[in-house]
Amino acid sequence: LAKTTQPISMDSYEGQEVNITCSHNNIATNDYITWYQQFPSQGPRFIIQGYKTKVTNEVASLFIPADRKSSTLSLPRVSLSDTAVYYCLVGGYGGATNKLIFGTGTLLAVQP
Amino acid sequence: DTEVTQTPKHLVMGMTNKKSLKCEQHMGHRAMYWYKQKAKKPPELMFVYSYEKLSINESVPSRFSPECPNSSLLNLHLHALQPEDSALYLCASSQVDMGFGTGELFFGEGSRLTVL
Repeated sequence: LAKTTQPISMDSYEGQEVNITCSHNNIATNDYITWYQQFPSQGPRFIIQGYKTKVTNEVASLFIPADRKSSTLSLPRVSLSDTAVYYCLVGGYGGATNKLIFGTGTLLAVQP
Repeated sequence: DTEVTQTPKHLVMGMTNKKSLKCEQHMGHRAMYWYKQKAKKPPELMFVYSYEKLSINESVPSRFSPECPNSSLLNLHLHALQPEDSALYLCASSQVDMGFGTGELFFGEGSRLTVL
């Protein structure tokens, strides 16, 4: 299984762009990269998913280099409500397993 | 309807009790999951059901017994739990692609379990 490594925590200010990088050196050919957001005492919420290059939706962008050994979640103009834990997952989509294992996550703290 | 509903939200039980956690979704998803989350830790995968059949058991102790009676429901039966089993239990569902769950999981709000 591909293991993910993320920074434990990050600090930012309102209005700034935040980039959170995830390392997944053992990613398999069939693996997708998925990011989740979790607030205290709530279930994780899907943010974005990608396989290669760049994916953008209404809340975030996901950058994946050609070797796919890392990925970067980009949150434009963060607000206080973006303070949460962000998890990077690798797996899914008909791979050798559909085990979706959460990494340690990154606690993003947004200051006013 | 994009909701996964979990009941009860809170449960307190003794070590000799038998209780069940319930999960329901009406999105037509055919993969359903149980995760366990301790405070300040990431969710840990426990079980995966695909098309109502257990496909993954992450070496979970037998005091946790999952059940998928139909495509919309997922239960977790609890018996003879230990205090260290106290945690937030999260249910999730996803579509199935090529026989496997996709990476987009829809989570419920969780059931907070306390074992005395």
